[in-house]
Amino acid sequence: DIVMTQSPDSLAVSLGERATINCKSSQSLLHTSNNKNYLAWYQQRPGQPPKLLIHWASTRESGVPDRFSGSGSGTDFTLTISSLQAEDVAVYFCQHYYTTPRTFGQGTKVEIK
Amino acid sequence: EVKLTQSGAEVKKPGESLKIACEGSGYSFSNYYISWVRQMPGKGLEWMGRIDPTDSEVSYSPTFQGHVTISVDKSISTAFLQWSSLTASDTAMYYCARDLGLYSEHDHWGQGTLVSVSS
Repeated sequence: DIVMTQSPDSLAVSLGERATINCKSSQSLLHTSNNKNYLAWYQQRPGQPPKLLIHWASTRESGVPDRFSGSGSGTDFTLTISSLQAEDVAVYFCQHYYTTPRTFGQGTKVEIK
Repeated sequence: EVKLTQSGAEVKKPGESLKIACEGSGYSFSNYYISWVRQMPGKGLEWMGRIDPTDSEVSYSPTFQGHVTISVDKSISTAFLQWSSLTASDTAMYYCARDLGLYSEHDHWGQGTLVSVSS
C-alpha cells in the first residue's frame, strides 16, 4: 500500500498569515500516461464531513477560495493557505487515488494562534 | 444539486448485524462509483472500498476485506455497507463519497452515519 505522511501534525497560525502543510507519498503519484499527479486535499471542519479542496495535486475545486493552493509532484506535495481566515480552522487530509487501496495522510490540524 | 444522504445513527450490541445506506440524488447514480470511508473517534480517514453501481463490482481495502460487505441497489440509487457481526472496534463515523471515475477523487460526501457498538 502507498503510505501518505503529512507534516506537521498540527500548526497554529495567526489570522492573515500563511499556513503550509506537507504531504509525502511512499511512491510516486505521477502517472506518466497523462502527466498527472493522483493526489487530492480535503478539509474537515469540526463536526462536518470532509470537503474536497484540490485534485490532481493543484486543481482547485469550484467554489474553493483562491487562498488555497496545491503544489508538488511525484512524492512531495504541499497545501498552502495564503492568508488564514477564521473559517479555515479544520483538519486537512491528503489522499492518493493512484491505485487501490487509496490511503489518506494522518491529517494536519490548523488552529488560530 | 448533487446530494448523498446517509441513514441515521445506530446503536448496536456486539455480535449484532447492521446495514447502513447512502442514497444519491441530483445526478445519474449509475455513472459514478461510491466509496465508503471510516473515521474512528478522534482519528483520521480510512478508505474501506468502493462499488461500481453499473455492475456491482467491489474493490475492498485489504484492511476491511472480509469484515464488511459493500453492495448497491441502483433501482433506488442507494449503496450499502453492512456487517454480519459487529464488534466494539466498529464504533466509528462512516461516510459515503462519490467518485468521478475508477481512479479519482471523492467530489461529494454524505453527512456520515455514526455507528456505536457497546454491550
